[in-house]
Amino acid sequence: AQSVSQHNHHVILSEAASLELGCNYSYGGTVNLFWYVQYPGQHLQLLLKYFSGDPLVKGIKGFEAEFIKSKFSFNLRKPSVQWSDTAEYFCAVIPYSSASKIIFGSGTRLSIRP
Amino acid sequence: EAQVTQNPRYLITVTGKKLTVTCSQNMNHEYMSWYRQDPGLGLRQIYYSMNVEVTDKGDVPEGYKVSRKEKRNFPLILESPSPNQTSLYFCASGTGFSDYGYTFGSGTRLTVV
Repeated sequence: AQSVSQHNHHVILSEAASLELGCNYSYGGTVNLFWYVQYPGQHLQLLLKYFSGDPLVKGIKGFEAEFIKSKFSFNLRKPSVQWSDTAEYFCAVIPYSSASKIIFGSGTRLSIRP
Repeated sequence: EAQVTQNPRYLITVTGKKLTVTCSQNMNHEYMSWYRQDPGLGLRQIYYSMNVEVTDKGDVPEGYKVSRKEKRNFPLILESPSPNQTSLYFCASGTGFSDYGYTFGSGTRLTVV
């Protein structure tokens, strides 16, 4: 079955620390990959996406993600986090053949200590 | 401004009392969908619609109904709500092409007592 795994449920970091959130997906075909962010009390916003080309994609607010096809991974990174990055982060996959099916991971809650 | 509008933002209701959560988008998107978000489970798709009068079940459709009479609106109907439907609900819309991603509404926090 198609699935998205986010291994870290809750990550706690201090400001200026580096961040890497893991995401692995299970799907045999071509996929488009997304990271969404949900700030406390708000809706999901698109952080970045990958659908072709350079596997290292840059998003808003200094985030980037690297697609490693051989590992079925799409990890999210940020070199230096800020307190305002406190949020929940969702990895998502849309199969190329079926845009009606967006599959979300269970989310990673990121808490930043000031 | 391009957006997906959900109403209400918060709703407390009693078991069995029918309710409707509205969703409207102003981007002329063909695709719309409903999700529920529960702690530790992420977002799960309830129903989706690829166009007017075309709807289909997602992963957790039991206890829900939808309709798509107009392109811009996609209401979620709970005919007889139960406490296990207490959740945070999101509506989303998109172009239907897989590289677009989706635009999400602000969410509706529903409590069924």
